[in-house]
Amino acid sequence: GAVVSQHPSWVICKSGTSVKIECRSLDFQATTMFWYRQFPKQSLMLMATSNEGSKATYEQGVEKDKFLINHASLTLSTLTVTSAHPEDSSFYICSASRPAGGTYRGGYTFGSGTRLTVV
Amino acid sequence: AQSVTQLGSHVSVSEGALVLLRCNYSSSVPPYLFWYVQYPNQGLQLLLKYTTGATLVKGINGFEAEFKKSETSFHLTKPSAHMSDAAEYFCAVSEIGQGAQKLVFGQGTRLTINP
Repeated sequence: GAVVSQHPSWVICKSGTSVKIECRSLDFQATTMFWYRQFPKQSLMLMATSNEGSKATYEQGVEKDKFLINHASLTLSTLTVTSAHPEDSSFYICSASRPAGGTYRGGYTFGSGTRLTVV
Repeated sequence: AQSVTQLGSHVSVSEGALVLLRCNYSSSVPPYLFWYVQYPNQGLQLLLKYTTGATLVKGINGFEAEFKKSETSFHLTKPSAHMSDAAEYFCAVSEIGQGAQKLVFGQGTRLTINP
């Protein structure tokens, strides 16, 4: 089955530093990856959609200079939280999409998430 | 724009009882529909999905859901709850189109199982 590996699973960083989160599709090529943010006891909020080899598309209200997304290969997308502040503390989850028979019939696989705490 | 409404942020049932988690969507055309489960500090695991064909969809762990177009609903059920079913459940929809479409999630329903 499709597997998405997300690292690190948790990270604590100091305010003002940058943190990189990796999302890898292990056994399939992910043309599109999605990055979500989840606050405690809340639903997932889509931050951005990244397509391999092109610039990410950010959702309204998401700062693209704050949350840098790179999708340089078909198996790797990264999210970098720049100049992190305590309000950036959250659970970040990636999702990779894969086609099935030429159509994207729900082929979404999620990473295990990254718990970011900024102190 | 699509939206998903999950009725009840918290559902509590006894072990062995029926589980019913409600999901209604708002979309101009029938979308793809999904149910995901999330355990604490983990990602999402797909329970089941509806794309085309039979409207009653069977998933993992004994869960099933029925797509009812006339009611714009996709409720999740399980005949007999197990303690291990305690988790957060999310209903999601995506548009049908070329390329990967983003998922829109409901607010989630926390399922508690009482012994």
